[in-house]
Amino acid sequence: EAGVTQFPSHSVIEKGQTVTLRCDPISGHDNLYWYRRVMGKEIKFLLHFVKESKQDESGMPNNRFLAERTGGTYSTLKVQPAELEDSGVYFCASSPRGDRGLNTEAFFGQGTRLTVV
Amino acid sequence: AQRVTQPEKLLSVFKGAPVELKCNYSYSGSPELFWYVQYSRQRLQLLLRHISRESIKGFTADLNKGETSFHLKKPFAQEEDSAMYYCALKKRSQGNLIFGKGTKLSVKP
Repeated sequence: EAGVTQFPSHSVIEKGQTVTLRCDPISGHDNLYWYRRVMGKEIKFLLHFVKESKQDESGMPNNRFLAERTGGTYSTLKVQPAELEDSGVYFCASSPRGDRGLNTEAFFGQGTRLTVV
Repeated sequence: AQRVTQPEKLLSVFKGAPVELKCNYSYSGSPELFWYVQYSRQRLQLLLRHISRESIKGFTADLNKGETSFHLKKPFAQEEDSAMYYCALKKRSQGNLIFGKGTKLSVKP
């Protein structure tokens, strides 16, 4: 079975441009999470989808970030316009449905390394 | 606010030596604690969780609520243990993980 897949693996864009990251979770996983690690800092939670609904988006840094999960399958994270401080590695994770995620393991994608120059 | 602290950025040991990667957390409730590992050029993967009370690849971790710690231990390190290790906390009311900054473990031959 395929794991969590993220596209692209690397992206280099100029400040002010738009970038869209994609995440394909493991089939059947209702929970989908986006995380980000910027240089020298910890991996930080961005948001959580349950199927197509945003369960928690408290970690989204500002309104330049827009996440969608159409039909409850794959998800996209768009950054528009990108700023230098958006550089980092963006991780996606998915997990099976459980009681608020209790006792369910989160499976991570390989990450997308975003560099804004 | 909830926080996970991993005080060591880098830990370097020789093969066969004991290893302890420290993790402390701050959370007023009853958390779930995890250790994730990322080997070179691989994705982040779950190593172990406190509720399982199991040993994975020779690693164990005990949740100490009094000291709010969840240190990862292995009695005899192997070269293949070299990786980034992340301690993470999950609040029972939420699904997302709160990570520490990670500790890079380097096991020398």
